[in-house]
Amino acid sequence: GAGVSQTPSNKVTEKGKYVELRCDPISGHTALYWYRQSLGQGPEFLIYFQGTGAADDSGLPNDRFFAVRPEGSVSTLKIQRTERGDSAVYLCASSLTIQGADTQYFGPGTRLTVL
Amino acid sequence: AQSVTQLGSHVSVSEGALVLLRCNYSSSVPPYLFWYVQYPNQGLQLLLKYTSAATLVKGINGFEAEFKKSETSFHLTKPSAHMSDAAEYFCAVRGGLTGGGNKLTFGTGTQLKVEL
Repeated sequence: GAGVSQTPSNKVTEKGKYVELRCDPISGHTALYWYRQSLGQGPEFLIYFQGTGAADDSGLPNDRFFAVRPEGSVSTLKIQRTERGDSAVYLCASSLTIQGADTQYFGPGTRLTVL
Repeated sequence: AQSVTQLGSHVSVSEGALVLLRCNYSSSVPPYLFWYVQYPNQGLQLLLKYTSAATLVKGINGFEAEFKKSETSFHLTKPSAHMSDAAEYFCAVRGGLTGGGNKLTFGTGTQLKVEL
């Protein structure tokens, strides 16, 4: 079946602009996660959803970052007033449930470049 | 709080040689442990996971890892390296619902190079 998809694959924007990154999880997966991977680093957790609600947003770096999942499927990560330090690959993952042993399946990521 | 340490950001082996990638974890609760592989310009792919069943876990592409609680380690091995194994490897830890939440905490990764 189809895996996790993310659009766009690449996004170049100017400092101060607003961007939206989209994630389509595997059909039927109730949990959805966002991570950020900077160059030379491992992915870092941002936020996760159980259904429509954000269950843990402790990884969001500041209030410029916001994410939604209004119908419990597709999610959008929104970044306001982008800064050069926001440049990274943004990864989305989904899992069937929130049980600890469940595998998180990752999408290919969106590479965000802020000029 | 959980953390992962991957010793060696770059490892180079000859084709046919043993692959050993090190991972040590810190967790306040019994952990779930994962190894993911990332090929250039691709997403993370699960290699194997430890979920408190057998301590020796076998994964895809001939990889395996052994959970050693006394050493807080979960090293990844493969008896014979292949050129196609060249990639970046990430170890990750996840706490249960009673602690650590559902997020994965990743190490900084190990870039594996396989030489002829």
